[in-house]
Amino acid sequence: ETGVTQTPRHLVMGMTNKKSLKCEQHLGHNAMYWYKQSAKKPLELMFVYSLEERVENNSVPSRFSPECPNSSHLFLHLHTLQPEDSALYLCASSQVLAGAKNIQYFGAGTRLSVL
Amino acid sequence: AQSVTQPDIHITVSEGASLELRCNYSYGATPYLFWYVQSPGQGLQLLLKYFSGDTLVQGIKGFEAEFKRSQSSFNLRKPSVHWSDAAEYFCAVGGSSNTGKLIFGQGTTLQVKP
Repeated sequence: ETGVTQTPRHLVMGMTNKKSLKCEQHLGHNAMYWYKQSAKKPLELMFVYSLEERVENNSVPSRFSPECPNSSHLFLHLHTLQPEDSALYLCASSQVLAGAKNIQYFGAGTRLSVL
Repeated sequence: AQSVTQPDIHITVSEGASLELRCNYSYGATPYLFWYVQSPGQGLQLLLKYFSGDTLVQGIKGFEAEFKRSQSSFNLRKPSVHWSDAAEYFCAVGGSSNTGKLIFGQGTTLQVKP
């Protein structure tokens, strides 16, 4: 049973589409993260939010636009993506950003295919 | 540079056999170390973590890991593997930075033979 829910689980989109990924955490955490998981590559941190403020933008192209309206919800807005953006996008949350309570809990991910 | 290396991309063991997955890290400060497991089509589940204290840590599903500072290692072990342990395993390192950043290894895929 995960306290981090991601929707949709699967998404197929064309390069000209606009879509959004949604993440919701039910753990009362204050920090949320977006990761990209591509085949045969380590997880790549994309964005970090703490108390709804973005604290990390890991050189992510502007066609990915995050939004954190409150500490329980995180969105990733997608537009004019490229086929190489096809990957599993994982959301995670943690109680706080730093220190021993930065234990990150992950959702099941959204499998994105860009045609 | 901060990094995590999992030298074994793929490991196959027989059911009931013991298991050790290797993890080596490079980190400038005191590391916080984690092992996560990912089943097909799922997200990452935390198996265990090390922050300080006893260097042998116990986790869920019968897993344990030992932190060896002199070797910069945090190897994962299980005395008897079950078929349900087949999955991908990720080692990660973090620290006291205020960005919450974790650095992950490339993962080790475990296959269990009947």
